[in-house]
Amino acid sequence: DAKTTQPNSMESNEEEPVHLPCNHSTISGTDYIHWYRQLPSQGPEYVIHGLTSNVNNRMASLAIAEDRKSSTLILHRATLRDAAVYYCILRDVGEETSGSRLTFGEGTQLTVNP
Amino acid sequence: SQTIHQWPATLVQPVGSPLSLECTVEGTSNPNLYWYRQAAGRGLQLLFYSIGIDQISSEVPQNLSASRPQDRQFILSSKKLLLSDSGFYLCAWSLLAHTGELFFGEGSRLTVL
Repeated sequence: DAKTTQPNSMESNEEEPVHLPCNHSTISGTDYIHWYRQLPSQGPEYVIHGLTSNVNNRMASLAIAEDRKSSTLILHRATLRDAAVYYCILRDVGEETSGSRLTFGEGTQLTVNP
Repeated sequence: SQTIHQWPATLVQPVGSPLSLECTVEGTSNPNLYWYRQAAGRGLQLLFYSIGIDQISSEVPQNLSASRPQDRQFILSSKKLLLSDSGFYLCAWSLLAHTGELFFGEGSRLTVL
């Protein structure tokens, strides 16, 4: 399985943008890049995913490098409620019918300062 | 809309005792179902996943087992708990031919003493 590498922790100030990096140098052509986040004592929640093009939704933006070996989750204006562990995961689209699986590493702990 | 429920929310059990955690999904059919475990301050370890009734795949050898007696019911069990079984257990579901987004339950916190 292709692996991802993320910094253990990052800090940001409230209302400032946050760029959370993820390296996935062994990504395959059929791997989607998924991001989840987990608040304390809760299950992870989906944030965004993409394949090749940059993606935007109401929660965040996902910027994918041209060679797809890295990506960045962008929170445009961090709030205190964005303090969480952010996970970057790769998922092979071929697993749609074989039993899809997602393996979560230890993610990046984002601290947002008021 | 789809919902997922897990219970119990918290559990304190002695070493050697049995375990049963239950997860049900509502509002969808034939979901993929997953059990994850999270140790304190760590990432999520996939334990079991299921693509259909009585179709269970194990990711990690351990003293835990899983069953799926009904389409939207997933049960995690153990006959004899170990201290190392303590953790936060999460059930999740996803749909085939979808974005692959995982939807997680509220979690069950197990402490084995």
